[in-house]
Amino acid sequence: DAGVTQSPTHLIKTRGQQVTLRCSPKSGHDTVSWYQQALGQGPQFIFQYYEEEERQRGNFPDRFSGHQFPNYSSELNVNALLLGDSALYLCASSTYGTGESPLHFGNGTRLTVT
Amino acid sequence: QQQVKQSPQSLIVQKGGISIINCAYENTAFDYFPWYQQFPGKGPALLIAIRPDVSEKKEGRFTISFNKSAKQFSLHIMDSQPGDSATYFCAAGSGGYQKVTFGTGTKLQVIP
Repeated sequence: DAGVTQSPTHLIKTRGQQVTLRCSPKSGHDTVSWYQQALGQGPQFIFQYYEEEERQRGNFPDRFSGHQFPNYSSELNVNALLLGDSALYLCASSTYGTGESPLHFGNGTRLTVT
Repeated sequence: QQQVKQSPQSLIVQKGGISIINCAYENTAFDYFPWYQQFPGKGPALLIAIRPDVSEKKEGRFTISFNKSAKQFSLHIMDSQPGDSATYFCAAGSGGYQKVTFGTGTKLQVIP
């Protein structure tokens, strides 16, 4: 049973560039959430996708955008990269709707912006 | 605005001892309080979770204590082992638990 998989594992970009990160949810899950984890900090919620639509969004600028595909996989896009965007980006999957559906996290993509 | 405050930032405990991590929240709409464990190079993994209608939940060596009136909750790790050395995050969620707010983390080191 494959868990949440993310690619790439590491990425180095230059300020001003654009980046796309990818996530495949755990089998049976239909919802994908993205989190940003700065060094030494807790993860911060970016946004959540269900049925190919953004359902909730955290306090992140429009430079952060996403997409969910019919197979439930998801992409996170960040435009006009800033040095402060350097972080571990975590994807989490779950099942949408009522009831307790804990988040299952991938191991993240480490983004370094130089 | 930090909605979930966590302490201590780091903790050193001897093998066999009790590790205690405390959290406090502000938003009374929170109705789901999970704890996550994160090892270096890995994503967070759910350890144990509690809802505010119970004051305590125990799973093996891990216990959550919850004080709704004080808006505080804590994680106790009994008989701490070196393999428990990791960063622990408390968190809080609402509305179907899809959006979760994390604390700042506690780095636990269990020494032999």
